[in-house]
Amino acid sequence: DGGITQSPKYLFRKEGQNVTLSCEQNLNHDAMYWYRQDPGQGLRLIYYSQIVNDFQKGDIAEGYSVSREKKESFPLTVTSAQKNPTAFYLCASSIRDNSPLHFGNGTRLTVT
Amino acid sequence: GQQVMQIPQYQHVQEGEDFTTYCNSSTTLSNIQWYKQRPGGHPVFLIQLVKSGEVKKQKRLTFQFGEAKKNSSLHITATQTTDVGTYFCNSGGSNYKLTFGKGTLLTVNP
Repeated sequence: DGGITQSPKYLFRKEGQNVTLSCEQNLNHDAMYWYRQDPGQGLRLIYYSQIVNDFQKGDIAEGYSVSREKKESFPLTVTSAQKNPTAFYLCASSIRDNSPLHFGNGTRLTVT
Repeated sequence: GQQVMQIPQYQHVQEGEDFTTYCNSSTTLSNIQWYKQRPGGHPVFLIQLVKSGEVKKQKRLTFQFGEAKKNSSLHITATQTTDVGTYFCNSGGSNYKLTFGKGTLLTVNP
């Protein structure tokens, strides 16, 4: 079955630590995305990548970094510079521009 | 991506009642996508509308795209408890930057 895998489902970190969230897809999609979800805020775009070795900042990129070294993988690092990192993080992919997004199950990050 | 506003933010209905959520933009949209997110789950794609005035149906769900392509609606006829969740619209833009509305949380009282 093709899909998007995010791991882990729950992640706990101490303040001041960087943490990397994994996102892998076997859908052969070119585009991948990271969204952050907070209660009442909807989905906010952090970073997106149209193709391997290329990525762009979304609306709330500060305090985050990404890489896209392989088509299948788009890891997100939440750095210590992110002021309020506790949130639900969703990774998605799409086959092309303006095509439907396929989401992973998400990672719930708690930083204390 | 183009900014979209969704209303209402919350809607509580009795099972069997109808439900409508609206997605509005100040600019013309190239297309619009609708997603549903069940509590504790992830968004799942429902449908994409591209043409002006387009109407699409999926069982009890009816999706409309306005004539000016600035607004869209999702209507559910005779809600069921399985309809519970948050419904999001997503404005199609160019260059992959897709922006979601804040969503409408639907709760259904059995």
